[in-house]
Amino acid sequence: DVKVTQSSRYLVKRTGEKVFLECVQDMDHENMFWYRQDPGLGLRLIYFSYDVKMKEKGDIPEGYSVSREKKERFSLILESASTNQTSMYLCASSSAPEQNYGYTFGSGTRLTVV
Amino acid sequence: AQTVTQSQPEMSVQEAETVTLSCTYDTSESNYYLFWYKQPPSRQMILVIRQEAYKQQNATENRFSVNFQKAAKSFSLKISDSQLGDTAMYFCASRITGTASKLTFGTGTRLQVTL
Repeated sequence: DVKVTQSSRYLVKRTGEKVFLECVQDMDHENMFWYRQDPGLGLRLIYFSYDVKMKEKGDIPEGYSVSREKKERFSLILESASTNQTSMYLCASSSAPEQNYGYTFGSGTRLTVV
Repeated sequence: AQTVTQSQPEMSVQEAETVTLSCTYDTSESNYYLFWYKQPPSRQMILVIRQEAYKQQNATENRFSVNFQKAAKSFSLKISDSQLGDTAMYFCASRITGTASKLTFGTGTRLQVTL
C-alpha cells in the first residue's frame, strides 16, 4: 500500500516562528499536494508539485512556501507563523498516470500557533 | 474554475438504515472525475468511490453507490445498511482531466451513525 507520512501529528508553535511541515511518500509518486482543512471550509489547496524542484501555487498560497528537493519529500514552510494559520494540514500524493484514480493522503498535522 | 457544494453540514442515520449525502458541482469542462472521500476520527482520508463523467452508469462499491446526474451536475452518495464504522466526515471532490489539475473539495458532511 502507498504510504504518505507526515512527520508530526500535533504541533504547537509560537507566532513569528518558522515552521516546517514534512511529508514523505514511499511509492515514487510524481505529484504531491498540501491542503489545509478548516471546519466549514473543507480542504483548500495551498501548493502542489508535479516533479522535483517544481512547484505551483494552489488556491491559498499566501504565507506559505514549499520545497521539493527529492521526489519522495514535499515540505510546507510557514515563514513566520501567525495565529490564522492554526489549522489541520493534509499532505497527499498521486501517480501521474493514475491521478484520475484519486490521491493518497497522510494522516494530517494539527498545527496550533499561539 | 471548479466549485463543489455540499449543502448538508451534518446528518444522522440509524444503524442498518440508508442515507444519501448530497453534492453538486460546477465546471465548464466536459472531461472530469468525481470522488467521495471519507475522513473518520483517525483523520485518514479514504477514497470511497469515484465516477468518470463520461460514464453514464452509476458507480457502486459494496454498500456505497452514487447517483450521478450529469445535466444537473449532481453527485450524491448513498450508503446502504449503515454501520457504526461509517461515522465520519464525507467530502465530495472533483478533478478535471489534464496534467495541471487538482482535486477541488466541498465543505464536507459530518455523518453520525447511531444505534
